[in-house]
Amino acid sequence: KAGVTQTPRYLIKTRGQQVTLSCSPISGHRSVSWYQQTPGQGLQFLFEYFSETQRNKGNFPGRFSGRQFSNSRSEMNVSTLELGDSALYLCASSFNGANSPLHFGNGTRLTVT
Amino acid sequence: GEDVEQSLFLSVREGDSSVINCTYTDSSSTYLYWYKQEPGAGLQLLTYIFSNMDMKQDQRLTVLLNKKDKHLSLRIADTQTGDSAIYFCAESSNYGGATNKLIFGTGTLLAVQP
Repeated sequence: KAGVTQTPRYLIKTRGQQVTLSCSPISGHRSVSWYQQTPGQGLQFLFEYFSETQRNKGNFPGRFSGRQFSNSRSEMNVSTLELGDSALYLCASSFNGANSPLHFGNGTRLTVT
Repeated sequence: GEDVEQSLFLSVREGDSSVINCTYTDSSSTYLYWYKQEPGAGLQLLTYIFSNMDMKQDQRLTVLLNKKDKHLSLRIADTQTGDSAIYFCAESSNYGGATNKLIFGTGTLLAVQP
């Protein structure tokens, strides 16, 4: 079974631009979560989607948004990029979210200059 | 509030056992997880333990859970240089059972000396 696939692996953007990251979950998994990893803040929860609905959201500004499609694939968008948005963005999928383990992809490394 | 704490660094010799410790605060956590992260990679799920268990063994890995003290440990037997990585402990934080938000520790860097 293929794992969680994230594209692209690396991105370089300029302040003020916007970016879209993509995530394909493990086949059969219906829950997709996004996490941000930075050296200063560690791993922080962004949001979780299940059956195309956002079930939970972390403490991030409204510039961070996401969506999930009917095939469970997910995208996250960051608008008006700031230098502090430079991070590794990790997507995780699980069978149903609650009480099922999360499997992570290799992440998208975003650098904002 | 929710918090997970880990020591930052552990150095062991190849062939020795490694023990990585973690404390958590949310007594309602259903599952507790151990993830491994190698340089430039994502998080690899190593093992997880249900909160009503005390111990789980999986090949070289042994997880011990002390619910009373909210303490979780990961023991790696016969540690190899390939085990060098950052190890994250995480607790699940359920919201009415509807979601599975993980709270991660800061990670423990395991350095294995040949």
